[in-house]
Amino acid sequence: AQSVSQHNHHVILSEAASLELGCNYSYGGTVNLFWYVQYPGQHLQLLLKYFSGDPLVKGIKGFEAEFIKSKFSFNLRKPSVQWSDTAEYFCAVNAWNTGNQFYFGTGTSLTVIP
Amino acid sequence: EAGVTQFPSHSVIEKGQTVTLRCDPISGHDNLYWYRRVMGKEIKFLLHFVKESKQDESGMPNNRFLAERTGGTYSTLKVQPAELEDSGVYFCASSPGNEKLFFGSGTQLSVL
Repeated sequence: AQSVSQHNHHVILSEAASLELGCNYSYGGTVNLFWYVQYPGQHLQLLLKYFSGDPLVKGIKGFEAEFIKSKFSFNLRKPSVQWSDTAEYFCAVNAWNTGNQFYFGTGTSLTVIP
Repeated sequence: EAGVTQFPSHSVIEKGQTVTLRCDPISGHDNLYWYRRVMGKEIKFLLHFVKESKQDESGMPNNRFLAERTGGTYSTLKVQPAELEDSGVYFCASSPGNEKLFFGSGTQLSVL
């Protein structure tokens, strides 16, 4: 079945630690890839996206993600997290052969301890 | 620019009752999506409108759920009769294309 998998459900880090959140998808064909973030009490908002070109994409607030086509992965990274990064992070896939649908993973809850 | 708005923000109803959720997309966005998240699980696709037409409703759980988008503007999602397993957060999102989704704040539905 087509799916988006996020391997880490809950992550707790101290400030300044490095972050990597895993995301794998199983959709074939051309895909657009996204990371969305939901800060406490706020809407889901776009963190970064990959459509084509350089597989290493930069987003807001120092986040980046790398698309590895051979591994069907789009992992999210940040070299040094801050307390304000505490949020829930969702990986999403827009698969061209599914009628412009967006499919989401289960989300990863990140808590950053000051 | 006004964002995607959803109403109500919270709804608590008893099993068997009816609830109607509303979503106002960003003006000019032809694509409107409904999603649901049950606690701890993925944000699950329910359906997709393009203007007033249902492009894909394959994610709708069953015929107790009815979505409409009259005139291609706002959309409603009605659950009738509600069951316990319908509890969750219902998100609406709109998009002009496939570049990104703009989300509303969600409706927290609790069925008791």
